[in-house]
Amino acid sequence: QVQLVESGGGVVQPGRSLRLSCAASGFTFSSYGMHWVRQAPGKGLEWVAVIWYDGSNKYYADSVKGRFTISRDNSKNTLYLQMNSLRAEDTAVYYCSVESWLHWGQGTLVTVSS
Amino acid sequence: NFMLTQPHSVSESPGKTVTISCTRSSGSIASNYVQWYQQRPGSAPTTVIYEDNQRPSGVPDRFSGSIDSSSNSASLTISGLKTEDEADYYCQSYDSSTLWVFGGGTKLTVL
Repeated sequence: QVQLVESGGGVVQPGRSLRLSCAASGFTFSSYGMHWVRQAPGKGLEWVAVIWYDGSNKYYADSVKGRFTISRDNSKNTLYLQMNSLRAEDTAVYYCSVESWLHWGQGTLVTVSS
Repeated sequence: NFMLTQPHSVSESPGKTVTISCTRSSGSIASNYVQWYQQRPGSAPTTVIYEDNQRPSGVPDRFSGSIDSSSNSASLTISGLKTEDEADYYCQSYDSSTLWVFGGGTKLTVL
């Protein structure tokens, strides 16, 4: 069955960087685009970024454009989110999801605080 | 840019039917598929409806989705309500300018 496992979250100071990973299994990872979605504490879902199946196209929400970079390693079945210049408002649970939106990971919590 | 507007909360009794609306602010609701997600407290979202009205395997047929072009909205209907249906529900859609957008979420209380 499809499994998505996020990791890499933690507590980080404002202005610092963090890289999230999403390990995929149970499907042909290299054939599907992938999304990152986040949810701030007590708030709704916010789309963050998408990457095409082959990495050829990447798109970002305005709130993270220029600071976050989505990437993937199809040889490792892994999706990444490099987060730079982190702000308090980036505090959230970050989820990865397959392009079909049928499968979600369990999420990883990022807390930006001094 | 478009937005998806949902009621903040709805409540209904067990065994009854509830409908949650999702209104698109601009552009046609029929132009891009709508998905619906269920999120129980402390858990990740799960998909209950995709491509307007399709149910993933394992989702009971008590859950159904539809779109209404006249009101430019999508709806999630849950019949035969159970206490386990109590959760937050989010709609989601897309356009080429705004990209992927989620509604603000609706808290369903089954009482």
